[in-house]
Amino acid sequence: RKEVEQDPGPFNVPEGATVAFNCTYSNSASQSFFWYRQDCRKEPKLLMSVYSSGNEDGRFTAQLNRASQYISLLIRDSKLSDSATYLCVVNIVRSNSGYALNFGKGTSLLVTP
Amino acid sequence: SQTIHQWPATLVQPVGSPLSLECTVEGTSNPNLYWYRQAAGRGLQLLFYSVGIGQISSEVPQNLSASRPQDRQFILSSKKLLLSDSGFYLCAWSAHRGNNQPQHFGDGTRLSIL
Repeated sequence: RKEVEQDPGPFNVPEGATVAFNCTYSNSASQSFFWYRQDCRKEPKLLMSVYSSGNEDGRFTAQLNRASQYISLLIRDSKLSDSATYLCVVNIVRSNSGYALNFGKGTSLLVTP
Repeated sequence: SQTIHQWPATLVQPVGSPLSLECTVEGTSNPNLYWYRQAAGRGLQLLFYSVGIGQISSEVPQNLSASRPQDRQFILSSKKLLLSDSGFYLCAWSAHRGNNQPQHFGDGTRLSIL
């Protein structure tokens, strides 16, 4: 089983639509969760952290279900500029007290006029 | 504020040639540093990470190596590049406190091997 799994899409939605992305992770010891956004041929950029109680940032809402090891991202009132690949990211602890992040392969979103 | 610089932005190298990619971070001390590779149409693969000067952890066996000669400098190297080394190389940093810190990426280096 892959450590972080996402539906690759693409999700094609009209402007103004609401769209939801899901992600599952395999390591129950993971403690930190994030959503990143990556535009074509660009670096990933942090969109938002995901907290246990769920959190909202403008049109974006993230949810975490630790029991099911499931993370979601909801985008309301989609804009053309939301078109990008959305990466689900989960932390993994390393034995030397370091840690690293496991990135999903991403879900592609295309918002159309 | 913190910034991360990576160079060059684009690089075309012949098979068998050496490689050196450099990454520097400003505005923070003792960051965790990371090198990732993203092959065309694929996810990010962690190559190396470092929690301090001279401390390098390798995630996957390969013909690449990394070094951290200074606190905010991270270098990715190869003695002899392979065709399979082509990809988008990304350097990232995170704060050293705790394990709930997000990572912030440089602009990346697009490497093509001919």
